[in-house]
Amino acid sequence: KQEVTQIPAALSVPEGENLVLNCSFTDSAIYNLQWFRQDPGKGLTSLLLIQSSQREQTSGRLNASLDKSSGRSTLYIAASQPGDSATYLCAVARFNKFYFGSGTKLNVKP
Amino acid sequence: GAVVSQHPSRVICKSGTSVKIECRSLDFQATTMFWYRQFPKQSLMLMATSNEGSKATYEQGVEKDKFLINHASLTLSTLTVASAHPEDSSFYICSARVVGTVYGYTFGSGTRLTVV
Repeated sequence: KQEVTQIPAALSVPEGENLVLNCSFTDSAIYNLQWFRQDPGKGLTSLLLIQSSQREQTSGRLNASLDKSSGRSTLYIAASQPGDSATYLCAVARFNKFYFGSGTKLNVKP
Repeated sequence: GAVVSQHPSRVICKSGTSVKIECRSLDFQATTMFWYRQFPKQSLMLMATSNEGSKATYEQGVEKDKFLINHASLTLSTLTVASAHPEDSSFYICSARVVGTVYGYTFGSGTRLTVV
């Protein structure tokens, strides 16, 4: 069974810092890996999707990498801002199912 | 494009009553819809997969008689929590497969259910 782990569970940083969120998964047979943002009481906003054949994706200040063989992905956030405060979820897709990590709760202090 | 509208966003109900949650695909046909549940400080867990016009497939441990899923049309899937109890209080979110897009799936905004 696929298990997805995210560390750290929570992170508090001052504004302007660069930071890295980690995601690991146990089964490398994945279709893709996706990073989401979840604001309190809200749904999911897709940030980046990496297909299983890709190594990384970038969008603005966000960069996500994927190392399928080691079962790891990282989300890099450059020059963090208070508006980045949210819970970040990673999910791996396989056979039409998403397996989610429990998230990293990020707080960016002004 | 590829938006799923989920309603209601929040609902509070009394124990023993039933609650219906709707997910509508606004600009595409959702042949497959997925329903997830998220308990506080836990990850989203897939509850069931529904295909238009057929019975839903439930994940192990999910009571099909309590969580009734109907996917009667290509644009609407509903989840009914029957005879809800406080332990059913959770965040429920739907997701639809979007054929022909790079993202593949789109998510609703979720429903916070509180059973008192």
